[in-house]
Amino acid sequence: GENVEQHPSTLSVQEGDSAVIKCTYSDSASNYFPWYKQELGKRPQLIIDIRSNVGEKKDQRIAVTLNKTAKHFSLHITETQPEDSAVYFCADGGSQGNLIFGKGTKLSVKP
Amino acid sequence: DGGITQSPKYLFRKEGQNVTLSCEQNLNHDAMYWYRQDPGQGLRLIYYSQIVNDFQKGDIAEGYSVSREKKESFPLTVTSAQKNPTAFYLCASSSLAGDYEQYFGPGTRLTVT
Repeated sequence: GENVEQHPSTLSVQEGDSAVIKCTYSDSASNYFPWYKQELGKRPQLIIDIRSNVGEKKDQRIAVTLNKTAKHFSLHITETQPEDSAVYFCADGGSQGNLIFGKGTKLSVKP
Repeated sequence: DGGITQSPKYLFRKEGQNVTLSCEQNLNHDAMYWYRQDPGQGLRLIYYSQIVNDFQKGDIAEGYSVSREKKESFPLTVTSAQKNPTAFYLCASSSLAGDYEQYFGPGTRLTVT
C-alpha cells in the first residue's frame, strides 16, 4: 500500500541555523504534499503545502521542494527560532481520498 | 481554534467498556477523519467519511466504529474489541476528501485501565 517515509525522526539545531526534513512517498499518482506542525499538547496545523505542478514553494522562512521523479519532498526552515520547536509531519495526498502521514520529526531549536 | 471541536479533552474508562468520542465541525466540510496518535507512530487513519451516511475504513479500523448521520458530526466508538485503546485521538475535516487541507480538532486523550 501507500506509505510515506520521513527522516530524521529527531533533529536538534542551534538558533539561527537551518533545518531540513525529508520525506519519500510511493504512490506515483500523488499530487498534493502538505506539511503540518504540532506543538506540544496542541493540534497539528498546516504550515505549507505544494502541488505537483510546481517544484518549490516559499513562505517567509519556510520552503518546500518537490522532486516527482525521485518521489521525495523536503521542508526547509531557515534562521530557526526557539518557537519553531515542534513535531513536523509530512503527508501525501494520494489517490485514495485521504492523506498518508509520515511518522513525524521532533525539531528542537536550542537558544 | 474554532470550527472543529472534540469532547471531552480527557476520558478515562475501564477495560471492557465501549466509549464514544465526539467530533463536531461548523465549517460546512464534506469530509471528516479520525486519527490515532501514539508516540513515534505519527498519525494513523482509523476511519474517514466523504459524505453523509458513508464512511471507509482506514489503516487501523479494527476495534473501532463510526457513524455519519449528519454532515457536522462524526462520532467514534472505541469498542472493547480494541486491544490497546489508550491513545490520543484526533478528528479532522476538510472541504473535500483528498488533496485539501485538513483542519484538526484539539484531540481527546483516552486512558483505559
